[in-house]
Amino acid sequence: DTAVSQTPKYLVTQMGNDKSIKCEQNLGHDTMYWYKQDSKKFLKIMFSYNNKELIINETVPNRFSPKSPDKAHLNLHINSLELGDSAVYFCASSSDELSGGRNTEAFFGQGTRLTVV
Amino acid sequence: KNQVEQSPQSLIILEGKNCTLQCNYTVSPFSNLRWYKQDTGRGPVSLTIMTFSENTKSNGRYTATLDADTKQSSLHITASQLSDSASYICVVSQLTTGGYNKLIFGAGTRLAVHP
Repeated sequence: DTAVSQTPKYLVTQMGNDKSIKCEQNLGHDTMYWYKQDSKKFLKIMFSYNNKELIINETVPNRFSPKSPDKAHLNLHINSLELGDSAVYFCASSSDELSGGRNTEAFFGQGTRLTVV
Repeated sequence: KNQVEQSPQSLIILEGKNCTLQCNYTVSPFSNLRWYKQDTGRGPVSLTIMTFSENTKSNGRYTATLDADTKQSSLHITASQLSDSASYICVVSQLTTGGYNKLIFGAGTRLAVHP
């Protein structure tokens, strides 16, 4: 009965390939996120979507393209993968992050470990 | 620059002992501060959330404090258990111009509890 689920959990691929990571949440939340955790363990936001609309885009290369078909799904597509893209990618969701929901908790998926070789 | 710094980077304690983890931040405008626990190979799980006006918040054996004037927070773990072994991440929420929260993460403190 996973709240935020990501697939796949592990992804090994060659440089130059295109790959997608899927994320689904069953919490009824309005806001979903993609985070990247690098080798130093810092989690950094990449994108945030609220009701299928992009609200935060943190200077991510345009090889990364999020797609939100509905508010329960936020998929991440990566084109022309590079060695530096190797990291753990986390999807998260929270209820409405507008001013009325400032203290809402963010729920994270288990992460997708991407290794580019 | 909006930053969240945590100390120590890693910590080893014996089961049953207490410990305190520190977090200093320079994030502005501040919305709230959260502590997360991240087990190896898992996503972070929220422990506490505190707003500007809250000085302390407890969740079982975890007690977080916040001094918004000095921009410091601490997480105190009482009577540690082996299952407390994890990374503890301090996260400060920045209110963006659009009215949304942007979470800024610290690097975490890696805690190891030994029997």
